[in-house]
Amino acid sequence: AQSVTQPDIHITVSEGASLELRCNYSYGATPYLFWYVQSPGQGLQLLLKYFSGDTLVQGIKGFEAEFKRSQSSFNLRKPSVHWSDAAEYFCAVGPGGSSYKLIFGSGTRLLVRP
Amino acid sequence: DARVTQTPRHKVTEMGQEVTMRCQPILGHNTVFWYRQTMMQGLELLAYFRNRAPLDDSGMPKDRFSAEMPDATLATLKIQPSEPRDSAVYFCASGLSSGSLQETQYFGPGTRLLVL
Repeated sequence: AQSVTQPDIHITVSEGASLELRCNYSYGATPYLFWYVQSPGQGLQLLLKYFSGDTLVQGIKGFEAEFKRSQSSFNLRKPSVHWSDAAEYFCAVGPGGSSYKLIFGSGTRLLVRP
Repeated sequence: DARVTQTPRHKVTEMGQEVTMRCQPILGHNTVFWYRQTMMQGLELLAYFRNRAPLDDSGMPKDRFSAEMPDATLATLKIQPSEPRDSAVYFCASGLSSGSLQETQYFGPGTRLLVL
């Protein structure tokens, strides 16, 4: 069965520090992968997605993610965190093709220390 | 900047009352998703429409929930009668399905529902 695991429920980093949020998936073939961010009281905003090609994907707000097939991972990174990045981050996987369903991880809440 | 819009943003109602939530998908998108988000369950897919046709509503409690798309610019989610356990944030998302590629879903701001 397809699944997405975000092992960190909470992460706290200092402003200006680097960030890496972990995402592991379970799927038989190469999935389509997404990262969404949800600010308090807001909807989910797409940060970036991976469908094929270059395994390092650039997104909005200075985020990037790297698809590593051997590790079944799609970790999100940012070199320098800003206070406005404090939010909840969701990794999602989709099988693609005729299927429409996204499987979401449980989310990682990012706290930013001043 | 095209966005999914949802109304109302907040709704407080009493148990037993009907609740209607509305969603305007991004113009040109042909798929609409309804999700429910709670602390306990996370994001749950309630219903999926493609070209206004309901293709999957297996996530919805059938006895009280209904979803429709009267036209391409409006999707509705109704709860009748509402119960306290329906309290959650309801998100609408839209996308453009080509059938051969995973579509990207764009989310609205959500309707925060509280049933007393």
